[in-house]
Amino acid sequence: NAGVTQTPKFQVLKTGQSMTLQCAQDMNHNSMYWYRQDPGMGLRLIYYSASEGTTDKGEVPNGYNVSRLNKREFSLRLESAAPSQTSVYFCASTRKSFNSPLHFGNGTRLTVT
Amino acid sequence: KQEVTQIPAALSVPEGENLVLNCSFTDSAIYNLQWFRQDPGKGLTSLLLIQSSQREQTSGRLNASLDKSSGRSTLYIAASQPGDSATYLCAVRLKLSYNTDKLIFGTGTRLQVFP
Repeated sequence: NAGVTQTPKFQVLKTGQSMTLQCAQDMNHNSMYWYRQDPGMGLRLIYYSASEGTTDKGEVPNGYNVSRLNKREFSLRLESAAPSQTSVYFCASTRKSFNSPLHFGNGTRLTVT
Repeated sequence: KQEVTQIPAALSVPEGENLVLNCSFTDSAIYNLQWFRQDPGKGLTSLLLIQSSQREQTSGRLNASLDKSSGRSTLYIAASQPGDSATYLCAVRLKLSYNTDKLIFGTGTRLQVFP
C-alpha cells in the first residue's frame, strides 16, 4: 500500500518556467490537499479538493492552479515560477469524514532561481 | 483568526526521559486536533487524532490530551528513545461547511533524544 505518492522529489526551476507537481493516492480518499511548508511559517494550504470534480482555494493560492484529474490524482501547477515559490510542497488526502486523519506524501522540494 | 502555537520550538533530552510537548490554540471551536511526526526530508505521519468531545488518546508510549476550554493540547512521550527524534506538529481542524474543513498547523517542536 503506497499511500500518497508525490513526484518529483526534487526540482530546480528558473524564474518564469512552469511545471506540474503530481500527487496520487491509493486509499480511495475523497479529499485531497496541497500544502507548502516554509521555515518558521508552518504548513499553509494552497488548494484543496473536497471531492472528485471540485477544487477550492486555500490560504495562499496565488501563482498556482490545480486539477483533480480523478479520484486518485490531484496535480499542482506553477504557470510562471517565482523565487517566492521556493518551498517544500506536500500533498495530503483523507476520507470524506472529518474524523479521519490526514495522510501525507513525502514532499517535493522546489527551488526557483 | 485561529492561531496554533507550539512551545518549545526545540527540545533536547537524554534517552529514557518522559517528556511533554505543548500545543495551544486561540479558538476553542475546533472539530478535532491531530498530532503529527515529521522526520527530516519526509512527509508528516499522523500519530494521534483527538475529537473535540474527547479528553485524550493513547497509542503505545504516546498520550495526547485535549482541553478545549483552555485551548491546549499536550503530547506526552514516555521513556523517550533516540528513534523519537523528529519534529512534532499539532494541527487543529475547523469545520467550514457540510463538506469542507480546514487544518491549521503549528510550527512544530523539534525533538532530539540523545543516547
